Amino acid sequence: GQQLNQSPQSMFIQEGEDVSMNCTSSSIFNTWLWYKQDPGEGPVLLIALYKAGELTSNGRLTAQFGITRKDSFLNISASIPSDVGIYFCAGSVYGGATNKLIFGTGTLLAVQP
Amino acid sequence: GAVVSQHPSWVICKSGTSVKIECRSLDFQATTMFWYRQFPKQSLMLMATSNEGSKATYEQGVEKDKFLINHASLTLSTLTVTSAHPEDSSFYICSARDGFETWNYGYTFGSGTRLTVV
Repeated sequence: GQQLNQSPQSMFIQEGEDVSMNCTSSSIFNTWLWYKQDPGEGPVLLIALYKAGELTSNGRLTAQFGITRKDSFLNISASIPSDVGIYFCAGSVYGGATNKLIFGTGTLLAVQP
Repeated sequence: GAVVSQHPSWVICKSGTSVKIECRSLDFQATTMFWYRQFPKQSLMLMATSNEGSKATYEQGVEKDKFLINHASLTLSTLTVTSAHPEDSSFYICSARDGFETWNYGYTFGSGTRLTVV
């Protein structure tokens, strides 16, 4: 199935460091979303982006919807141990009858206290 | 906020048997639900879109006769893995879309079901 390319694949950082990850696609998406998934759980929405060029913040998280509509990035500032998890980008596409989400390949984040 | 309940959270079954997974929207009506499969260390792959009162729409490569989806009411969709085999072992996650809630673009995910076929 269709997937979005996400990088880096994994990151191991020290507490307090800033983190940046991005997502690219060969296709245009109308909406970009960023999710965090803890082990054994479903993904939880962090940030939703609706317009090209949009820059949105949610606490220590900041995400941007690329101008070309084919990419997005997520920044986490001053990381803390509870930021550990897998981060997924997702793009929304029209599936014929409704919009559906296509997920990125994921970025595993490990934070050392 | 919208809550999606998925049951069971984990299940172990014998090869050849069928397993049913339920996805319920607890405080909203969901005309559309989505079923995903996630293998270890991999991303979520959309399997099918479940539409209340009509047939599900399956993604390319997903066998509709093996993964039966029933969306009989506005709050419940079920996924039945028929004649399960070890290669069907995976983490299955549903999401439901609340057409009236726009703060998160309407997608809320369940907590997933870990299926192990032995």
